[in-house]
Amino acid sequence: AQSVTQPDIHITVSEGASLELRCNYSYGATPYLFWYVQSPGQGLQLLLKYFSGDTLVQGIKGFEAEFKRSQSSFNLRKPSVHWSDAAEYFCAVARSSNTGKLIFGQGTTLQVKP
Amino acid sequence: GEEVAQTPKHLVRGEGQKAKLYCAPIKGHSYVFWYQQVLKNEFKFLISFQNENVFDETGMPKERFSAKCLPNSPCSLEIQATKLEDSAVYFCASSQWWTGDGGTEAFFGQGTRLTVV
Repeated sequence: AQSVTQPDIHITVSEGASLELRCNYSYGATPYLFWYVQSPGQGLQLLLKYFSGDTLVQGIKGFEAEFKRSQSSFNLRKPSVHWSDAAEYFCAVARSSNTGKLIFGQGTTLQVKP
Repeated sequence: GEEVAQTPKHLVRGEGQKAKLYCAPIKGHSYVFWYQQVLKNEFKFLISFQNENVFDETGMPKERFSAKCLPNSPCSLEIQATKLEDSAVYFCASSQWWTGDGGTEAFFGQGTRLTVV
């Protein structure tokens, strides 16, 4: 069965520091991969997605992620974090040939110190 | 519309009462998905529709939960005889389908927070 693991439940970084959020997936073929952000009391906003092609994808708000097939990973990065980036981050996977249903990781809470 | 609209934002029901949640997908999107978020994390897929047809109901509890997407009406998710463990935020998402290069994505609504007391 497919699964998504976000090993870090909670991460704290200082404003201006770089950020990397980890995501590992389990799936036999190349999946569709997504990163979503959820601010308190809000829905999910898509940061970026990977379907095929260039393994380094650029998203909104200065985020990028790299798909590494050999490591079954899709880590999210940002070179310089802003206080407004504090939120919940969810990695998700969908099967390329299936119904579009997303399997989510457990989420990572990002706290930003001034 | 340009966003997925979910109503109501908050819903409080006594245990055993019925709860009905609504979702208006983005205009032109053929697919609707329902997810349940318990506590702060753990999104669980419930059901999806392709237009008015059930597309995937593998996550739907067989008892008490039902859903519909009828033409020219918001989609709905109904819980009969709610239980305490149904307390969660229910999210609706809509999307166009996967194209040959997988160029579509799911857009999420703001969610309905259901509290069963």
